[in-house]
Amino acid sequence: KAGVTQTPRYLIKTRGQQVTLSCSPISGHRSVSWYQQTPGQGLQFLFEYFSETQRNKGNFPGRFSGRQFSNSRSEMNVSTLELGDSALYLCASSPPPGWDDTQYFGPGTRLTVL
Amino acid sequence: QQQVKQSPQSLIVQKGGISIINCAYENTAFDYFPWYQQFPGKGPALLIAIRPDVSEKKEGRFTISFNKSAKQFSLHIMDSQPGDSATYFCAASPNSGNTPLVFGKGTRLSVIA
Repeated sequence: KAGVTQTPRYLIKTRGQQVTLSCSPISGHRSVSWYQQTPGQGLQFLFEYFSETQRNKGNFPGRFSGRQFSNSRSEMNVSTLELGDSALYLCASSPPPGWDDTQYFGPGTRLTVL
Repeated sequence: QQQVKQSPQSLIVQKGGISIINCAYENTAFDYFPWYQQFPGKGPALLIAIRPDVSEKKEGRFTISFNKSAKQFSLHIMDSQPGDSATYFCAASPNSGNTPLVFGKGTRLSVIA
């Protein structure tokens, strides 16, 4: 079974630009969560989508948004990039309730904002 | 309180030794406590997880000890190997693992020969 895939793996942007990151969950998983990982703050939850609906949201500004498509693939968008947005953005997918409780992470997208 | 506090930040252990990483939490609603292992350039991967109804769970060389009254849990890696060198994160979430995980800041483990 293929794991969680994220594209692109690396991105370099400049301040003020916007960026879109993509995540394909494990087949059969309908829940997709996004996390931001930085050396200073560690792993922080951004938002979670289930069946195309945002189910949970972390404490991030409105510049961070996401969506989920009918095939469970998800995208996150960051507008008006700031230097502090440089981070590893991780996507995790979860199986349906009753299967197991594991969140399976992708390899991440490394975003550098110059 | 949503915080999970993890210590130490870094750990150096001799090959064959025991690595111990500790975490503490405040939110009594947490009922799922996983540990993740992350190698450079990779996403975190689930190592082992525990629920509060048991005080210990062992999988191979990895053991979670859980103290509900103290709101603490720890990871023990027995017979540590150089291949165990990675960053380890404890996490917690309420209402099973399908809800947002709150992560500790991570422990960078180095196992030296």
